[in-house]
Amino acid sequence: NAGVTQTPKFQVLKTGQSMTLQCAQDMNHEYMSWYRQDPGMGLRLIHYSVGAGITDQGEVPNGYNVSRSTTEDFPLRLLSAAPSQTSVYFCASSYAPWDRVAKNIQYFGAGTRLSVL
Amino acid sequence: GQQLNQSPQSMFIQEGEDVSMNCTSSSIFNTWLWYKQDPGEGPVLLIALYKAGELTSNGRLTAQFGITRKDSFLNISASIPSDVGIYFCAGQDGYNFNKFYFGSGTKLNVKP
Repeated sequence: NAGVTQTPKFQVLKTGQSMTLQCAQDMNHEYMSWYRQDPGMGLRLIHYSVGAGITDQGEVPNGYNVSRSTTEDFPLRLLSAAPSQTSVYFCASSYAPWDRVAKNIQYFGAGTRLSVL
Repeated sequence: GQQLNQSPQSMFIQEGEDVSMNCTSSSIFNTWLWYKQDPGEGPVLLIALYKAGELTSNGRLTAQFGITRKDSFLNISASIPSDVGIYFCAGQDGYNFNKFYFGSGTKLNVKP
């Protein structure tokens, strides 16, 4: 099992460029999510998905789009990158958070470090 | 969104000492979680708490889910150098189970 795989590990963009951060999991988890982590701050939820075809906004969704066409993949798109989006991005997956039996163990990827100049 | 206050921000302790950190929130949480993050890695779950009042241990780590559902603490006993890292609390929203909020972290330094 690879767990949660994020690509790329590092990326530098110019303001206005677009890009897609990839996230894949091989644990058949229903729930997937994207967070950003800024210096001195905790992780903040950007978007999440509770299954293929179902996505919703988190705490800081502006400037980001997501889609979930398969259980395994949950890409995060920056349509027009801005310097304020310079951050470390983490993808996570787990079984259904609403299912107490499943126990909310979220597995995180190693992160993508993004700089927007 | 939810306000989650984690303290202290950082700690410098001697190997063998006990450590305590806590989190409080502005609203109730359904679940409290404690994570550790090493440099260049994603957070790894240490302890999960599912019920108000619950006290759970994982080796030298002990955590409690506050009775009010708005707070939690984590204790580490007899610290060792590999405990160095950033510890985060996180809570599952009490009204929308799909949303999780993280504290700003406690950076732990352990002197051998």
